[in-house]
Amino acid sequence: DTAVSQTPKYLVTQMGNDKSIKCEQNLGHDTMYWYKQDSKKFLKIMFSYNNKELIINETVPNRFSPKSPDKAHLNLHINSLELGDSAVYFCASSRGEGWEEKLFFGSGTQLSVL
Amino acid sequence: SQQGEEDPQALSIQEGENATMNCSYKTSINNLQWYRQNSGRGLVHLILIRSNEREKHSGRLRVTLDTSKKSSSLLITASRAADTASYFCATEASGSRLTFGEGTQLTVNP
Repeated sequence: DTAVSQTPKYLVTQMGNDKSIKCEQNLGHDTMYWYKQDSKKFLKIMFSYNNKELIINETVPNRFSPKSPDKAHLNLHINSLELGDSAVYFCASSRGEGWEEKLFFGSGTQLSVL
Repeated sequence: SQQGEEDPQALSIQEGENATMNCSYKTSINNLQWYRQNSGRGLVHLILIRSNEREKHSGRLRVTLDTSKKSSSLLITASRAADTASYFCATEASGSRLTFGEGTQLTVNP
């Protein structure tokens, strides 16, 4: 059973389009994250949700909107895609507040904006 | 700015040799973690060392932490081709979220 699963694995789209990436975790964790990994493999946190509440928004353009319908799901919607949005996006989860922040990652979504 | 910086950026060794990767950070931390990323996959947690610990072992992995020098090292003994991956350190500090270094690309040649 996959602990943190995200879909799709690959996403190729045109500039200006709107797209979504879905993420689900079956670990019972309270906290979920979105990370962006650039071509140099630098990993930067974008958002963090604890029990469906947004707790971190790291200066991400408001074209990116996370949505957490319940604590097991954190989806990422991106409006008006730009070339610079091309990257690998990772969803992750951890036990939550009060615990050491040990992350479990999904396998990533390779986004290519043409 | 980034908390963790890793050294070297790339490392190529022969199977059976030991691999050592280093991580330096800037501020006081609660713990430091090492993750592995195989090509095309997500990061996998390897080991966590707390700020009051100096050394930790897990199988062929040995991690050291020197808080006075703000540095950590990851040693992989008797490396295998399957150890080929990128290795990232990540630091957790009070009041801030886990911050990742830039990673070391390890290649183990059969």
